[in-house]
Amino acid sequence: VLTQPPSMSLVPGKTATITCAGNNIGDYSVHWYQQRPGQAPVMVIFYDSDRPSGIPERFSGSKSGNTATLTISRVEAGDEADYFCQAWESGSDHWVFGGGTKLTVL
Amino acid sequence: QVQLQESGPGLVKPSQTVSLTCNVSGGSIGSGIYYWSWIRQPAGKGLEWIGRIHASGDTRSNPSLKSRVSMSVDVSKNQFSLKLTSVTAADTAMYYCARDSPYGGNDNWGHGTQVIVS
Repeated sequence: VLTQPPSMSLVPGKTATITCAGNNIGDYSVHWYQQRPGQAPVMVIFYDSDRPSGIPERFSGSKSGNTATLTISRVEAGDEADYFCQAWESGSDHWVFGGGTKLTVL
Repeated sequence: QVQLQESGPGLVKPSQTVSLTCNVSGGSIGSGIYYWSWIRQPAGKGLEWIGRIHASGDTRSNPSLKSRVSMSVDVSKNQFSLKLTSVTAADTAMYYCARDSPYGGNDNWGHGTQVIVS
């Protein structure tokens, strides 16, 4: 089970920190997705901290202990979206998603 | 750039089987490099991984759905498919197909196809 805060809000220019907690998460790679309203998810971070091509440097990922973190620096209105973390549950061989965090830019 | 496009019936009656297909363009399923996943999302809710398949036919499924899920791949048509049996209202969702990146995660997604069970 991956646990995320359900929502967060902040003003433009601030830094958003979205957490993803799970037992033994340190043993797995964590991936992050952005989903804007009415659109399919888009990968923004893979392998804990790598960015796919085309994703702004404002997006970064890290992991410590049992928590992975997605950080969005200098938040913009266009960053308003749902964000999901994902990891591979090796015990039963399947992908698991966090419940998602709704980011609101005020 | 690979593109994925889901197709399906839209509306399905309870207890029936829903069949979905994902057409892949801009890349070959037969290359054997990737796994190909199905993921669903009820309206206003989170993402749920259903399962994945490789060109070899190897599959993995979500334990919570495994008894109702079957997947297949047609390399000649460059497409893969999902069958979900004994559907109920709880299966109403947007269904996405996606490519599993060899570096982890799902790096390409289709736009999704809506399935309503009613």
